[in-house]
This record gives sequence, C-alpha cells and structure tokens, in this order.
Amino acid sequence: NAGVMQNPRHLVRRRGQEARLRCSPMKGHSHVYWYRQLPEEGLKFMVYLQKENIIDESGMPKERFSAEFPKEGPSILRIQQVVRGDSAAYFCASSPLVFYGYTFGSGTRLTVV
Amino acid sequence: GQQLNQSPQSMFIQEGEDVSMNCTSSSIFNTWLWYKQDPGEGPVLLIALYKAGELTSNGRLTAQFGITRKDSFLNISASIPSDVGIYFCAGPSNAGNNRKLIWGLGTSLGVNP
Repeated sequence: NAGVMQNPRHLVRRRGQEARLRCSPMKGHSHVYWYRQLPEEGLKFMVYLQKENIIDESGMPKERFSAEFPKEGPSILRIQQVVRGDSAAYFCASSPLVFYGYTFGSGTRLTVV
Repeated sequence: GQQLNQSPQSMFIQEGEDVSMNCTSSSIFNTWLWYKQDPGEGPVLLIALYKAGELTSNGRLTAQFGITRKDSFLNISASIPSDVGIYFCAGPSNAGNNRKLIWGLGTSLGVNP
C-alpha cells in the first residue's frame, strides 16, 4: 500500500524555465494539499484540491503558480518562469474524506540556478 | 493571523533522557497535531489530539491538549538516537477551510549516544 508519491525528488531549473511537480495521493485519499518549506522554517500552506476542484488556493502566489488534480492522474504543481526565490522543498500531502491529519510525501526539492 | 510558537527552538540531550517540548498560541485550536520530520523527508504524523485535556500516548511519546485549547506539549521518554529530527506542532486554521494547517517553526532535537 504505497504512501504519497512525489516526483521528482530533486529538480534543478534555470531561471525562466518551468517546473512541474507531481503528486500521487495515497490509495483511497481524495484530498490533496501542497505545502512549501524554506530552510529552517515550518511548512506554509499553498493549495487544497479535490478531484477536478480547487478548494482553497489562498496560499498560492498570484502569478506563475498553478495547481491541478485531474480526474485521472496525479496532482500537478506548476511553477512558470521560475526565479531563485522559488527554491524550496515542496511537499504534497493527502487525506481521506474524514480528516484526521495528512500523510505527506517525501517532497520535491527545487533548486533554481 | 493564527500563529503557533514552539519552544525550545532546539535541544541536545543524552541518550536515555526524557525530553519535553511545547507549542502555544494566542488563539484557540480545536485539534493539535504533532509531526516529526527527518532530514530530506516529509513530516510524519506522531499524535493527533482532538479534545481539550486529552492525553494521548504513542509508544514512548505522550502529548496533551491543553485545557485552554491554546497549548499542547509533547514528551519523549527514554530518548534514543533515532529520535533525532525536527518536531512540529500544527493545527487547523479557523479561517474558512479547516483542512489548512498552521505550523510552528519546529523544535530541533539532537541526541548524543
């Protein structure tokens, strides 16, 4: 019973390129969340999605960032025209319908050079 | 906005010692979650607390939900080297979506064997 799967684990992008981060939730989990973590900081909420719906994107920067959770396939966090300040660890988590806390993936560490 | 303050920020203890850390807020939380994060990995849920005054154990870990609902503590007894990591408290936001978690900045624990 696989946990939350994120890929890639590490991603290097040059400034101006696009970054696509993928997340497959745990089996049976219909809710997906994306968080960003900067070095030596706690996690910051970005977005909460259900299949084909964005429930809360109050933590997403207004520009360049988007997220989706299609009917089929993984959830995708897309960052367009990356800048150095986007370098961080991005974590995906999932939960079932009844919320008892999340299960996190191992994260994608994005480095913008 | 809601904030969670964790103390101490870091601590180093000898193997076998007990350790206590806490999490406080100026606002009320209806759920307290304690997570541990190992280097390079996502946070793992240790204990979830849902009721004021609740005391819950998970092996050598014990956590309590403060009676005022503004604090929680986590105790680790008889520490071992694999307890090393960062311990985060988190709680659901009371603004709109309650699946959005607010996180403390963490307590970094080192254990000398």
